[in-house]
Amino acid sequence: EAGVVQSPRYKIIEKKQPVAFWCNPISGHNTLYWYRQNLGQGPELLIRYENEEAVDDSQLPKDRFSAERLKGVDSTLKIQPAELGDSAVYLCASSLDGLAGGDTGELFFGEGSRLTVL
Amino acid sequence: GNSVTQMEGPVTLSEEAFLTINCTYTATGYPSLFWYVQYPGEGLQLLLKATKADDKGSNKGFEATYRKETTSFHLEKGSVQVSDSAVYFCALSDQNTGNQFYFGTGTSLTVIP
Repeated sequence: EAGVVQSPRYKIIEKKQPVAFWCNPISGHNTLYWYRQNLGQGPELLIRYENEEAVDDSQLPKDRFSAERLKGVDSTLKIQPAELGDSAVYLCASSLDGLAGGDTGELFFGEGSRLTVL
Repeated sequence: GNSVTQMEGPVTLSEEAFLTINCTYTATGYPSLFWYVQYPGEGLQLLLKATKADDKGSNKGFEATYRKETTSFHLEKGSVQVSDSAVYFCALSDQNTGNQFYFGTGTSLTVIP
């Protein structure tokens, strides 16, 4: 079974440029997450989708970040314009069912997209 | 609110040494607790989990027991190997916050032959 696939693995851009990251979750997983991981830190949630609905985007800097999950499968995270402080690893994860009601199951992570903003 | 505090690293051990990585948590409800591991160049993957008090999670020789009285979930392994070198993250998931995951800052482990 294929895992969570992310691209690109690495991206180097100059500040003020746009950048986009793509994620394909595990087939059948309803819940998709985007996390940001700064160097030496744990992952921090940016946005969570239940199918195509964003159910938690409270930590997403909406002035420059946007995300979409069309058709409830693949997702794209965009930053425009990028700032120096956006340099980090952007992780995508999926789970079978993240809804409250009993499931506290495993998150499956992709390998991440490492962004360097110069 | 919910949070996870774990032992700062980096930790360097000789092969076959005993490993403990401390993790304590704060939660508003009754969380599930996890240890995730990130090997060099790879994504995070679940190592073990425990969903209620006094449960013990175990995998690949690692163990952690959910201690509600001390709000802890310490990771242990009796004899580490070079292949255990990785970054270990303690995490919790709380139904009261829609099963949002909260991660610790990670502890880097290096095992030397």
